[in-house]
Amino acid sequence: QSALTQPASVSGSPGQSITISCTGTSSDVGSYSYVSWYQQHPGKAPKLMVFDVSHRPSGISNRFSGSKSGNTASLTISGLQAEDEADYFCSSYTSNSNVIFGGGTKLTVL
Amino acid sequence: QITLKESGPTLVKPTQTLTLTCTFSGFSLSTSGVGVGWIRQPPGKALEWLTLIYWDENKRYSPSLKSRLTITTDTSRNQVVLSMTNMDPVDTATYYCAHSLTADSRVGNWFDSWGQGTLVTVSS
Repeated sequence: QSALTQPASVSGSPGQSITISCTGTSSDVGSYSYVSWYQQHPGKAPKLMVFDVSHRPSGISNRFSGSKSGNTASLTISGLQAEDEADYFCSSYTSNSNVIFGGGTKLTVL
Repeated sequence: QITLKESGPTLVKPTQTLTLTCTFSGFSLSTSGVGVGWIRQPPGKALEWLTLIYWDENKRYSPSLKSRLTITTDTSRNQVVLSMTNMDPVDTATYYCAHSLTADSRVGNWFDSWGQGTLVTVSS
């Protein structure tokens, strides 16, 4: 099963909003509400930001929001801050009871 | 507070078997809904899911690596062990263990607490 497709990079200025897309297939993103998003700073472990498409774990800012349409999920970060600069990975449950990740997106805050 | 920590060799030779231990605290693998997974990340590359085990002993493996992976638990010692056979240089990566929560172990898929990771290099 191929990895989910994410843009290699996105950028935005402080205070702006950006959206990172995550495209899968009808065997994963398109069929289940089991998409999650992780933030990873250099040299650090990933951190869960969104699960089950749009739910935020306790302690995660409401500036982070998730959504899904068809085979594509999205993570939107509003009010960009310098500390949001990081790599972001999406993941999804699949029809074969597996978990697949996206290739990752590097977010640069200009 | 949930914590996890990976331990094991930092260098293995090609064809050898890698054994990594995840020692955790702040939760029990006997508790309904709880699981532990392993995820790896080659240097500069994406995350790759390897395996998951849940409280009900449901185990799931990445199909591309299934023949090489085994996940086991020692509930009394709060440990989860990953074994990967026939290691190859392409398996060089940081290996993470992570805590998972789900209402149904057949579809559990996200990880809310991660260990710091351990870099394993495969080289002769």
